Amino acid sequence: GQSLEQPSEVTAVEGAIVQINCTYQTSGFYGLSWYQQHDGGAPTFLSYNALDGLEETGRFSSFLSRSDSYGYLLLQELQMKDSASYFCAVSPGNTPLVFGKGTRLSVIA
Amino acid sequence: NAGVTQTPKFQVLKTGQSMTLQCAQDMNHEYMSWYRQDPGMGLRLIHYSVGAGITDQGEVPNGYNVSRSTTEDFPLRLLSAAPSQTSVYFCASASGQGVYSEQYFGPGTRLTVT
Repeated sequence: GQSLEQPSEVTAVEGAIVQINCTYQTSGFYGLSWYQQHDGGAPTFLSYNALDGLEETGRFSSFLSRSDSYGYLLLQELQMKDSASYFCAVSPGNTPLVFGKGTRLSVIA
Repeated sequence: NAGVTQTPKFQVLKTGQSMTLQCAQDMNHEYMSWYRQDPGMGLRLIHYSVGAGITDQGEVPNGYNVSRSTTEDFPLRLLSAAPSQTSVYFCASASGQGVYSEQYFGPGTRLTVT
């Protein structure tokens, strides 16, 4: 089976940097993804790591360590619009994504 | 492209009623999935399909049926609604091999069962 652990809530100040961690246990692993979901909206894709290391996309970066079964999402220069829920998800390969329970990020002034 | 569309946006059912949630995509994606989202539970997979005529069960399939007669459509049927099925339902699609990592979600159907 698969399980993912991520903090339920994080609060950060506008303009700051925040890191959302995700640890996983899975029987098969092809990659770690991150999705953003605003209240009342649908999840949208942010990033995907198949190999160890850091992937950068604008203000967002995602990191993966396969040996540690660990990854994180790094958000820089936080903006109020970044207030949302962030989900990590694993790709076991032969089935659709398995999602964590999500981290609710609140950005405060 | 409209992407992934879902109807209805909102639905209220009485216990025991049946209904079908519609999902369609116009991106010619082979892979389609249904998830339900409950507060604090993340997204849980109900059923999925890897192509027309092929479906399989996910984590929480009981009480739901699916079929995939065309590439575009992937309806979800609730056989006999129960209050435990009150949830937000998301349909998603993805293209090609190894791209389960990037899924496109529909806007969701908010279902209440009384």
